[in-house]
Amino acid sequence: EPEVTQTPSHQVTQMGQEVILRCVPISNHLYFYWYRQILGQKVEFLVSFYNNEISEKSEIFDDQFSVERPDGSNFTLKIRSTKLEDSAMYFCASRSTGSEKLFFGSGTQLSVL
Amino acid sequence: DQQVKQNSPSLSVQEGRISILNCDYTNSMFDYFLWYKKYPAEGPTFLISISSIKDKNEDGRFTVFLNKSAKHLSLHIVPSQPGDSAVYFCAASAVIQGAQKLVFGQGTRLTINP
Repeated sequence: EPEVTQTPSHQVTQMGQEVILRCVPISNHLYFYWYRQILGQKVEFLVSFYNNEISEKSEIFDDQFSVERPDGSNFTLKIRSTKLEDSAMYFCASRSTGSEKLFFGSGTQLSVL
Repeated sequence: DQQVKQNSPSLSVQEGRISILNCDYTNSMFDYFLWYKKYPAEGPTFLISISSIKDKNEDGRFTVFLNKSAKHLSLHIVPSQPGDSAVYFCAASAVIQGAQKLVFGQGTRLTINP
């Protein structure tokens, strides 16, 4: 069964450093998402992406965050200068046209020290 | 702004009995509702969904009920099995200004006791 894959599974970084979280969505999906879950809290929406542009973003997704689809398969989330409060599990998701169902990756656990 | 609420952070049920997980929402623009199941260190996996034009959807042991007037939905699992132990997230979807918005509740940790 096709799946969303995310790398790395765990990323440790120093505060102020840049990180790039990588995702390979399901190949025929056109809508891509990033969500995050801080430990013990709910899954929060960050950004949605379609047709090579951001279609919606939350207030969490400030100018320290950016997304990119650098080629036909990858979808990345970049945090320019990480803060302690960015520590969370980051989930990539994708869906196909006409379906409401999001498929999620296994997540990247980001730890900012 | 908690548009989707799961008021029970945890639920413990005996194996073989019915598990009922509840979810409330506030935004009447939501027109599609989904339940996701999440194991530790894994991403949420889709379980079952329901459109706002229906009041019930059943898939094997899982049934979702929607009460639009009360803005309430519930997930019934019967009979409950130990492998059902996980965190369950309710999610509500709406297309707002051309973009799909999917909002999650806080999750309910379900524990099935043998």
